Amino acid sequence: LAKTTQPISMDSYEGQEVNITCSHNNIATNDYITWYQQFPSQGPRFIIQGYKTKVTNEVASLFIPADRKSSTLSLPRVSLSDTAVYYCLVVVYGQNFVFGPGTRLSVLP
Amino acid sequence: ETGVTQSPTHLIKTRGQQVTLRCSSQSGHNTVSWYQQALGQGPQFIFQYYREEENGRGNFPPRFSGLQFPNYSSELNVNALELDDSALYLCASSLLGTSGSSYNEQFFGPGTRLTVL
Repeated sequence: LAKTTQPISMDSYEGQEVNITCSHNNIATNDYITWYQQFPSQGPRFIIQGYKTKVTNEVASLFIPADRKSSTLSLPRVSLSDTAVYYCLVVVYGQNFVFGPGTRLSVLP
Repeated sequence: ETGVTQSPTHLIKTRGQQVTLRCSSQSGHNTVSWYQQALGQGPQFIFQYYREEENGRGNFPPRFSGLQFPNYSSELNVNALELDDSALYLCASSLLGTSGSSYNEQFFGPGTRLTVL
């Protein structure tokens, strides 16, 4: 079975840049990579989506290498309110939508 | 707020019972996906409905079934509940692209917390 992996947890300090990488070695050709943020007792919230190279929006950047077997979410200048679990979501051949295991980000003052 | 609503918020059932969970999609969306999220884990894809037909299914047994209605709202039905079915059930709506590929920008509801005793 294809596997999607992420670091289990990361710590950072306010104002720092945080990079979270997701490995997805069997991603479907035509589909996007999406990252979500989830707070306790809430549904995941969309952060950013991309297909290849680099995508940037008002809250994050997403870097995707040419082979698309991984992606890196970059959060600039994190604040305490960015403490949450971050998931990558990909479409994998034969398995449909696959969320990564999630990375628990703790932002410290 | 995503515009996706789910009901009920919380539910307690006993083993062997049946449960129906409901989801209203965001306006303009034609696709609904359901996920099961156990405590401390990532969401697991159950199935997706597009234009009232099942459009993909994860590794869940047939006792997990669903419906999508003409207004794109949806139901998740689980029969013969087991203790391991206790989880947060998430509904997500999206717009399936005409190119045939999935637009993965899914908008999630707040979830229904199911407890099976």
